[in-house]
Amino acid sequence: KQEVTQIPAALSVPEGENLVLNCSFTDSAIYNLQWFRQDPGKGLTSLLLIQSSQREQTSGRLNASLDKSSGRSTLYIAASQPGDSATYLCAGINTDKLIFGTGTRLQVFP
Amino acid sequence: GAGVSQSPSNKVTEKGKDVELRCDPISGHTALYWYRQSLGQGLEFLIYFQGNSAPDKSGLPSDRFSAERTGGSVSTLTIQRTQQEDSAVYLCASSLTAHLGEAFFGQGTRLTVV
Repeated sequence: KQEVTQIPAALSVPEGENLVLNCSFTDSAIYNLQWFRQDPGKGLTSLLLIQSSQREQTSGRLNASLDKSSGRSTLYIAASQPGDSATYLCAGINTDKLIFGTGTRLQVFP
Repeated sequence: GAGVSQSPSNKVTEKGKDVELRCDPISGHTALYWYRQSLGQGLEFLIYFQGNSAPDKSGLPSDRFSAERTGGSVSTLTIQRTQQEDSAVYLCASSLTAHLGEAFFGQGTRLTVV
């Protein structure tokens, strides 16, 4: 059974710091990996999709890497801002579902 | 449409009543997913559609839950004889193709059973 774990569970940092959020999965039989953010009371917003043939993707201040052999993905947030405060979720995509991690709750204070 | 649309956004229902939740996926997306998120909990997979077919119904919590998709587009999740433990946010997502495309989520339907 595929399990996805995210570390840390919560993170509180001052504005401007560079951050690393970690995602690990037990089964390398995933096709792709996707990172989302969820604001309180809202749905999920897609941040980055890394396809299995890729090793990383970048969007603005965000960079995500994928290493299927070790079962790990990392989301790097550069120069964090208070607006980055949210819960970040990674999801491994296999044949018929997205398998979500437990999430990292991020708070960036001014 | 521009994104995944879910309706209603909020639904309060009495215990024992039936409810229908609707999801309009992004036009052209063949894969559609339903998830449930209880307060303070993670996302629980319910069901997946490829076109109009649901090859995996294993996530539906009980036989009170059913879902269908018509015309490869709109999907409806029906909960019969609602119970208080059904209270949660129900989220729908779609992607261009299963397991390959980027998944986009709707804003969810917040269901409260009183």
